[in-house]
Amino acid sequence: KQEVTQIPAALSVPEGENLVLNCSFTDSAIYNLQWFRQDPGKGLTSLLLIQSSQREQTSGRLNASLDKSSGRSTLYIAASQPGDSATYLCAVRVNAGNNRKLIWGLGTSLAVNP
Amino acid sequence: DAGITQSPRHKVTETGTPVTLRCHQTENHRYMYWYRQDPGHGLRLIHYSYGVKDTDKGEVSDGYSVSRSKTEDFLLTLESATSSQTSVYFCAISWTSEGEQYFGPGTRLTVT
Repeated sequence: KQEVTQIPAALSVPEGENLVLNCSFTDSAIYNLQWFRQDPGKGLTSLLLIQSSQREQTSGRLNASLDKSSGRSTLYIAASQPGDSATYLCAVRVNAGNNRKLIWGLGTSLAVNP
Repeated sequence: DAGITQSPRHKVTETGTPVTLRCHQTENHRYMYWYRQDPGHGLRLIHYSYGVKDTDKGEVSDGYSVSRSKTEDFLLTLESATSSQTSVYFCAISWTSEGEQYFGPGTRLTVT
């Protein structure tokens, strides 16, 4: 059974730091992996989607890597800003009958302090 | 943001009453999903739809039903609400089953 773990559960850093959020999964048979951010009381915003054949994806100050063989993905945030404060969720997409479903981690709550 | 709206945004209801939540999209995506989010559980899939009148169960479908009579609307119904269904409900859409999912703003439902 696929399980997704995100460590740490919470992280507090000063503004300007480069930081890495971790996501691990137990079964390497994934279709792709998606990173989201969630602001308090709001919906989820898709940040990056990495296909299983890819090693990394970049969007602005965000870079996500994927190592399927070791069951790990990292989200790198460069030059963090207070506006980056949110919960970051990763989800792996696996085959499920005639659908492909997302298996979710519980998220890392990030606070970037001015 | 993709054009996804959910209504109502907040609702308080009593145990045993029926409740219907609506998800509306303006993006013409084929796939639509209903999730619930609870502390300590992450997001869990309730039901999803892969086309008009085509729906299937997710991992926590008991006590919920769905309908999709038009591409743009996906309804989630709690036939007889229970306190265990107090949660935040999110709708999501995607072009394909493996594609990027986009989420609505959520509905906070409280069953008293």
